[in-house]
Amino acid sequence: SYELTQPPSVSVSPGQTATITCSGDKLGDKYVCWYQQRPGQSPVLVIFQDTKRPSGIPERFSGSSSGNTATLTISGTQAMDEADYFCQAWDSSTVVFGGGTKLTVL
Amino acid sequence: QVQLVQSGTEVEKPGASVKVSCKASGYTFTDYYIHWVRQAPGQGLEWMGWINPDSGGTNYAQNFQGRVTMTRDTSITTVYMELSSLRYEDTALYYCARDLDFPRNWFDPWGQGTLVTVSS
Repeated sequence: SYELTQPPSVSVSPGQTATITCSGDKLGDKYVCWYQQRPGQSPVLVIFQDTKRPSGIPERFSGSSSGNTATLTISGTQAMDEADYFCQAWDSSTVVFGGGTKLTVL
Repeated sequence: QVQLVQSGTEVEKPGASVKVSCKASGYTFTDYYIHWVRQAPGQGLEWMGWINPDSGGTNYAQNFQGRVTMTRDTSITTVYMELSSLRYEDTALYYCARDLDFPRNWFDPWGQGTLVTVSS
């Protein structure tokens, strides 16, 4: 079965750039999206179709994908961005999530 | 606004079944697929399957085939997820989510989640 791999944790200082990766076989050939989940809340879509932001998502969130890796980048990271982030793709009619990355802003 | 509102907390015994509802509002119910995703305590997201509210067609993840049934009632714009033969490891938050652009499977929004606890 298809697998997506994320680092368990990433730390960033306020105002700096956070980078969260998601790797999978030929992931660049698939569409990837990203969800933010703050503690005690439901996931929120922050990036879809590799690079697009839903309305209401700040411009500091961006995405890219190539080869075997998709990347979520948060520029000028703020304390409110501290959350778990999950990548997602689909393969053979199955939706697959990465294991999630806990972003700590300190 | 687009909203998915789920039913409340459930506590069930091992071997029992649970049925969770998800009421949609703010959009045309039959235009968007609904997925179910669960999250065990402190764990990641696990996809369970989808239902097409228009046709009632379903597709279940292999891990849940034979134990999960997804249905809908178009008259009240509600979808249901029933999980049978419950095990302790089924204790989790269960979410419904709207698929923005099937089959690309981008989920927005998500319901608030329904906690299902399996306990003897």
